[in-house]
Amino acid sequence: NAGVTQTPKFQVLKTGQSMTLQCAQDMNHNSMYWYRQDPGMGLRLIYYSASEGTTDKGEVPNGYNVSRLNKREFSLRLESAAPSQTSVYFCASSEGGYTFGSGTRLTVV
Amino acid sequence: QKEVEQDPGPLSVPEGAIVSLNCTYSNSAFQYFMWYRQYSRKGPELLMYTYSSGNKEDGRFTAQVDKSSKYISLFIRDSQPSDSATYLCAMRYSGGNQFYFGTGTSLTVIP
Repeated sequence: NAGVTQTPKFQVLKTGQSMTLQCAQDMNHNSMYWYRQDPGMGLRLIYYSASEGTTDKGEVPNGYNVSRLNKREFSLRLESAAPSQTSVYFCASSEGGYTFGSGTRLTVV
Repeated sequence: QKEVEQDPGPLSVPEGAIVSLNCTYSNSAFQYFMWYRQYSRKGPELLMYTYSSGNKEDGRFTAQVDKSSKYISLFIRDSQPSDSATYLCAMRYSGGNQFYFGTGTSLTVIP
């Protein structure tokens, strides 16, 4: 089925460890996004990529880096994970409205 | 003040009721408005997408935008237990790249 695929679905990290969240879309969308969702805070934009080769910071970029590898793929990297980065992470792509992936539940202990 | 305000609920209604979900916003430059439904432990899915003011209907769902009051609503008619989910409003500026989300309203429809 067409859509946005995120991996992994679950991850537990120790403080200071690094990891990369992967996202791929097969809808030929130009724009891709990374959000985090926390209770009472809603969805907050971490980074976005308006087109292949460009990335921009969103509302909460500190502690994260991104790579727009090609038109399909947009990855999010945590270089040194902190407990404050415990969250559910959603990737989305857009031509108009967003299509979201199913999320990655990350716990940093 | 947050850009988009949404009452978190929770909201509990009997099956068949009409549900009204609302968001207010502060920036009059918002032009595009969306409603998402999010089931527990799933990603949000797009329900309705409207531009500027007016109403849009899709089956049991009606989205309403009142730009003069900076207020948007989602109405669900003949609510069903399968409508039990969190509903998120979102909006963006004309020419903007990102949508700004409300925190979501949790809805339970009781059989």
